[in-house]
Amino acid sequence: DTAVSQTPKYLVTQMGNDKSIKCEQNLGHDTMYWYKQDSKKFLKIMFSYNNKELIINETVPNRFSPKSPDKAHLNLHINSLELGDSAVYFCASSPRGATYGYTFGSGTRLTVV
Amino acid sequence: GQQLNQSPQSMFIQEGEDVSMNCTSSSIFNTWLWYKQDPGEGPVLLIALYKAGELTSNGRLTAQFGITRKDSFLNISASIPSDVGIYFCAGLNYGGSQGNLIFGKGTKLSVKP
Repeated sequence: DTAVSQTPKYLVTQMGNDKSIKCEQNLGHDTMYWYKQDSKKFLKIMFSYNNKELIINETVPNRFSPKSPDKAHLNLHINSLELGDSAVYFCASSPRGATYGYTFGSGTRLTVV
Repeated sequence: GQQLNQSPQSMFIQEGEDVSMNCTSSSIFNTWLWYKQDPGEGPVLLIALYKAGELTSNGRLTAQFGITRKDSFLNISASIPSDVGIYFCAGLNYGGSQGNLIFGKGTKLSVKP
C-alpha cells in the first residue's frame, strides 16, 4: 500500500490550460503539503494544510490553489498554466506537529508547452 | 525566510570510499532530518535528529545534530553503487498543529564502481 500517492505521474499540457494534481495519504496524518522542485532540484514549500488552517507560501501565485475534500486528500489546482510552472510537484503529509518529518509522494512531473 | 546551506553541491567518488556532507543554517532548528531522493521518486527519510549533540546511525549512515542547533552532517561509510542519488538536509521547527520543513539545496552523489 502506497502511503502518499499522487496522480498523474506525468502531465503535459499547453499554456493557458487549467489542471489538477491529486494526492491521497493513507497514514492517518493530520497535515498535508505541496512542494515544488525546480530544475535545480531545489524543494520549496507551497502550502501546508490541515482541517483548521491553510498556510500559503507568499511567493506562490494565486493561480495555484489547494483543495481538500477530506483529511486524506489534498489536491492542487492550477489555473492559466505558464511555461514557468513546469516542475516536479510533490505532495507530503505529517502527523500533528510534524515531529517525525514528512512522508512524500513520488511526484508529478508537469510540463507546460 | 530561513535558508540552509548544504555542501558539497555534488560528489564523485569511488565505490568503497566514505562520504561526508554537511548543512548549516543562520537560525536554529528543533529537528534536523536527512532525506535521499532517487531519480523519479520523492525524498525518503534516512535519519532524524532531535537533540543538540545527538549522534545517530542507520546502517552505514551516521548523522549528527550540531551543538549550536544550526548545523548537521551526514556520513556514509563504504559507499556502494545504490548510494547514488541526491541527499537533502532539512530543518524543522514545529509549533501548534503544523511543522515547517525547510530543505537544503541537496548534494548529488555519484559512485563509480
